[in-house]
Amino acid sequence: LAKTTQPISMDSYEGQEVNITCSHNNIATNDYITWYQQFPSQGPRFIIQGYKTKVTNEVASLFIPADRKSSTLSLPRVSLSDTAVYYCLVGATYNQGGKLIFGQGTELSVKP
Amino acid sequence: DAGVIQSPRHEVTEMGQEVTLRCKPISGHDYLFWYRQTMMRGLELLIYFNNNVPIDDSGMPEDRFSAKMPNASFSTLKIQPSEPRDSAVYFCASTRPGQGKTGELFFGEGSRLTVL
Repeated sequence: LAKTTQPISMDSYEGQEVNITCSHNNIATNDYITWYQQFPSQGPRFIIQGYKTKVTNEVASLFIPADRKSSTLSLPRVSLSDTAVYYCLVGATYNQGGKLIFGQGTELSVKP
Repeated sequence: DAGVIQSPRHEVTEMGQEVTLRCKPISGHDYLFWYRQTMMRGLELLIYFNNNVPIDDSGMPEDRFSAKMPNASFSTLKIQPSEPRDSAVYFCASTRPGQGKTGELFFGEGSRLTVL
């Protein structure tokens, strides 16, 4: 299973762009990269998933370099409500024996 | 859709008692996962099912833990006997992954267990 490393915590201010980088040096060919967000007392919520290059949705962008050994979650113009823990996961489809393992996550604190 | 439904939301019990946590996945999802979250260990994958069949239970901490999925719309996680170190929030999640992908996990609101 590919292990992920991400910063334990980050601080930001409202209106700023936040970039959280995750390292996954031993990512496998079939692995996808997925990010989840978790608020206190709630279950994690899917943000975005990608395999290579760039993926964008209404919430965030995910940048993946060619070697796929890292990825960066970009949150545009954060607000106080974006204060949460963000998890980076890598894994292949379950029918190939893969499973999603959550790491320690990055605790993002957005200040006014 | 109502999302993943877990019950009870909170349970307080005494050491040695049996605890049963319940989960109703989203209709049509064919994978179901049980995770446990604590401050010390974070989110741990306990077990997951595909089409009601347990696929990987390597995360189940010990024989006191058991999980079943008798049908596509119901799963249970049982702890017998419970111990204080089992105190945690237990999450159930379900998904229907696309070809070659791990899919979007939909989590329930969790069951907070306190064992005294």
